[in-house]
This record gives sequence, structure tokens and C-alpha cells, in this order.
Amino acid sequence: DAGITQSPRHKVTETGTPVTLRCHQTENHRYMYWYRQDPGHGLRLIHYSYGVKDTDKGEVSDGYSVSRSKTEDFLLTLESATSSQTSVYFCASRGGDSATQYFGPGTRLLVL
Amino acid sequence: GQQVMQIPQYQHVQEGEDFTTYCNSSTTLSNIQWYKQRPGGHPVFLIQLVKSGDVKKQKRLTFQFGEAKKNSSLHITATQTTDVGTYFCAGETGANNLFFGTGTRLTVIP
Repeated sequence: DAGITQSPRHKVTETGTPVTLRCHQTENHRYMYWYRQDPGHGLRLIHYSYGVKDTDKGEVSDGYSVSRSKTEDFLLTLESATSSQTSVYFCASRGGDSATQYFGPGTRLLVL
Repeated sequence: GQQVMQIPQYQHVQEGEDFTTYCNSSTTLSNIQWYKQRPGGHPVFLIQLVKSGDVKKQKRLTFQFGEAKKNSSLHITATQTTDVGTYFCAGETGANNLFFGTGTRLTVIP
């Protein structure tokens, strides 16, 4: 697998608090993605990036924002966490010439 | 919007039996990918199919892409306990985004 890491791996937070998840890749991949995975829904795209400072919304972007100031880092922010955002969050990246997405290990987020 | 449906949601098989999961898209796809996620793990890319009618094999796994590029299947022959996990299809429509199916969770009973 490509060198893609996520931090933190686990987080418990309270409703209304801001949360930032970090994705870091060492493959110089152009594209990066944030997904959430929930039972019965598979993987749903939250936001994606097609270059530094170039991002766009995915299927379930409400309540989330992202930033990409460097090729290797893609941050996902929950401005004010809600219980419906309890989920497993996966980051993925891919190079420009390949369709293969490489996934990070995931972050388990619990919003109480 | 774009939807990719996948069935069945769950499948329990005896070791040695075959397994098939099916994927259907509401729109024509530019390509379809398959991923496997082991329990507690992350999705791992298996294969990409691009051409209409494509059939590709990886050892005991056979992947097909329909003529209309709207459906796909993954067939595993003679399942083994190492095949346990959730299999996802993911369709791409050409906008660099993948739409994942809901996955089929395979349990293999020894």
C-alpha cells in the first residue's frame, strides 16, 4: 500500500466541538479524498482535492470543510460535531495516471 | 444522483463453495473498480475494468463488466477462509470520483 497515514486513529468528542482529522501521504499523489463509512451505506465521498488549494464537494459534504495547503496533507474539519457524524473516516489518495485509490487506516470518531 | 447498488448485502458460504456479488449502476460508467476490506481494515484495490464486456481473472477471482457498462460482478471459486471480508464495487463516471456500492460482506464457514 502507498504511504498514507491518518491521525488521530481514534477520537471521542462532544457535540458542538470542532474536530480536525489529518491525512498524510508520501507518494506525491495529486488527488486526495475523504470518505465516511457507515453500516448499510458503504463508503460515501465527503470532499476531494485535485491539487494544492483545489478542493470540491462530494456526496455528503454538509457539516464538513477541508483544506489542502501542501500536496502531502489533506485536512478534514468538522466545525461543530454532531452525533450524526459518528463514523469511520477514511482518507484516500491516487496519482494522476492511475485510477487506483490507496486508503489510509481510518479514523474512528465518536461524537457524544 | 449517481447510485451504485450492490447485492447481496451479506453472504455466508461453506468453505469450498462459490460466491458471487453483483453491482448495478443507474448510469453508464467509464470504469468500475473492486475493493476488498478485511474486518477492521481499510479498503484495498483489487482490479479495474474499463472495456465493455471485460472479463478478468485473478487466481480464483473472476471479474466481469457488462456490455452496457452499467453492471459488474465478482465471482470467487472455491472460497477459502482468507476470502473473508467486505467486497465493494466502485463506479467512476469520468469526473475523478468513485461511487461505492454498499458492499457485500462475505463470511466463510470452515
